[in-house]
Amino acid sequence: DAKTTQPPSMDCAEGRAANLPCNHSTISGNEYVYWYRQIHSQGPQYIIHGLKNNETNEMASLIITEDRKSSTLILPHATLRDTAVYYCIAPGANAGGTSYGKLTFGQGTILTVHP
Amino acid sequence: GAGVSQSPSNKVTEKGKDVELRCDPISGHTALYWYRQSLGQGLEFLIYFQGNSAPDKSGLPSDRFSAERTGGSVSTLTIQRTQQEDSAVYLCASSLVWTAYYEQYFGPGTRLTVT
Repeated sequence: DAKTTQPPSMDCAEGRAANLPCNHSTISGNEYVYWYRQIHSQGPQYIIHGLKNNETNEMASLIITEDRKSSTLILPHATLRDTAVYYCIAPGANAGGTSYGKLTFGQGTILTVHP
Repeated sequence: GAGVSQSPSNKVTEKGKDVELRCDPISGHTALYWYRQSLGQGLEFLIYFQGNSAPDKSGLPSDRFSAERTGGSVSTLTIQRTQQEDSAVYLCASSLVWTAYYEQYFGPGTRLTVT
């Protein structure tokens, strides 16, 4: 696994964009970056993943820097229900580029969305 | 469709007793994962199954922990001679195959309390 570093906590006003950074400077060329979140008392929930191109789905956007040493998860219009712990994970990959299934969850970023 | 289910949702046991935790994955998912989350701690990987085999048991904390999966479906995590430090939420997840590329769907967890 590549080591990932995230700020321990962030605040965001409801309706504004939440930008959650992640540093993964040791990531190798074929390793994807995955984002999950965990809302209080629930199991983690997948959000998005990417390799080197920016990605967008119905939940969020993922911006990966050109050197792939960092990325930012963007929740474009945060709501109170987005309050959760957000995890950035780089699980590693085999020579063929297949990501390993074992997810190593660090401490993540506690995002608090306030009215 | 049905998601990942776990039973029991809560289990209180006395120190030294054995416990069994059950996970029913999403139908058709060949990969199954066990994690645990201790109070105030992050999610810790325990073991995964691809089909009925468990290639990576490195995350099991001690030889008191074991897991099996039968018929490529239901999995049971067994903790023998429980200790107070085993108190945690045990989470099960499943995915189509063993790679992070396919989203892991988490169950609601079993909260284990050892008194």
